[in-house]
Amino acid sequence: DTAVSQTPKYLVTQMGNDKSIKCEQNLGHDTMYWYKQDSKKFLKIMFSYNNKELIINETVPNRFSPKSPDKAHLNLHINSLELGDSAVYFCASSQGWLTGELFFGEGSRLTVL
Amino acid sequence: AQRVTQPEKLLSVFKGAPVELKCNYSYSGSPELFWYVQYSRQRLQLLLRHISRESIKGFTADLNKGETSFHLKKPFAQEEDSAMYYCALKGQAGTALIFGKGTTLSVSS
Repeated sequence: DTAVSQTPKYLVTQMGNDKSIKCEQNLGHDTMYWYKQDSKKFLKIMFSYNNKELIINETVPNRFSPKSPDKAHLNLHINSLELGDSAVYFCASSQGWLTGELFFGEGSRLTVL
Repeated sequence: AQRVTQPEKLLSVFKGAPVELKCNYSYSGSPELFWYVQYSRQRLQLLLRHISRESIKGFTADLNKGETSFHLKKPFAQEEDSAMYYCALKGQAGTALIFGKGTTLSVSS
């Protein structure tokens, strides 16, 4: 059983398009995250939701919009894609927002042409 | 401001040699520190946390508040230790886990 799963794993698209990445966790966790890993493998927090409520929103362009329909899902929608959005996006979850023990998905590699 | 610094981008050692992956942090309060590992084609996973004071896969890490360091050590490296290692810090409530830039460990025979 996969604990944190993301779809799609790979996404290749043109500049200006809109795309979504979906994330689901079956661990019963309350908190979910999106991290971006750039070409230099640097991991940076983008968003965090706790019990479907946005609790962390780092300096991210408003073209990025997270949505949490329920505690087990956190989706990421990106409008008007730019070349600089090319990265690996990781979803993660944790039992509560105070812990640093995160469970990660396999990542979704987005390539913008 | 919270910050995690991993000064080495790449560390190459021979099998059986000791390993030390450096991590320094900047945080005014009492931090929680972690090491995460990403093996080739696998997801990022927790390796160890400072509050557990445990040894996982032969790795240990001690929090040194005076030097603001949390270096990861292993006395005898194995080829299967080759991976990307991230040091991470959890600061005050309401902030996310922040990561250093990672160190690639390459162990060759």
